[in-house]
Amino acid sequence: DGGITQSPKYLFRKEGQNVTLSCEQNLNHDAMYWYRQDPGQGLRLIYYSQIVNDFQKGDIAEGYSVSREKKESFPLTVTSAQKNPTAFYLCASTNRRGAEGNQPQHFGDGTRLSIL
Amino acid sequence: AQSVTQPDIHITVSEGASLELRCNYSYGATPYLFWYVQSPGQGLQLLLKYFSGDTLVQGIKGFEAEFKRSQSSFNLRKPSVHWSDAAEYFCAVGGILYGNKLVFGAGTILRVKS
Repeated sequence: DGGITQSPKYLFRKEGQNVTLSCEQNLNHDAMYWYRQDPGQGLRLIYYSQIVNDFQKGDIAEGYSVSREKKESFPLTVTSAQKNPTAFYLCASTNRRGAEGNQPQHFGDGTRLSIL
Repeated sequence: AQSVTQPDIHITVSEGASLELRCNYSYGATPYLFWYVQSPGQGLQLLLKYFSGDTLVQGIKGFEAEFKRSQSSFNLRKPSVHWSDAAEYFCAVGGILYGNKLVFGAGTILRVKS
């Protein structure tokens, strides 16, 4: 079955440490997204990529970095510069065929990141 | 900035009762509209979407939503709630004025009492 796989499900970060969250999709989707979810705040966009080797900052990109070397993979690194990284992180992908912004996004099951 | 408002943080309904979850958006034109559902510790699942045409849209799990341009609203409804509907529901809006990205509301947590 096609879908989005996020790993690990739970992740712990020490002070000063960078950690990388994995996101893989086999839906052949062009666009991929990373969201951060905090209680009572909905989802906020961190980074997105609409094509391989290209990505754009979202609304809260500071302290995060991404790469898009392959169509199916879009890893997110939470750097030590992100001072409040504890959150639920969701990866999503979209088929860009059709008008921009009108394709619903498919989501992975998320990674919960906590500080040790 | 364009925004999406879900006025109710929590809603509690009895099993079998009807449900309406509210969503309002700020936008100068008709956006693309979505409702998602999230169970605890899971990702989001699309319930339904509106792009154009008939303003009453049907989704999965017996949900429907109505787009009302005059009220800038896209409220989600279900005639009879089941205990398995307990979850968090998110309204989302997309379109050119939203930078071609989805903007999400803060969510409404639905509790179902038996």
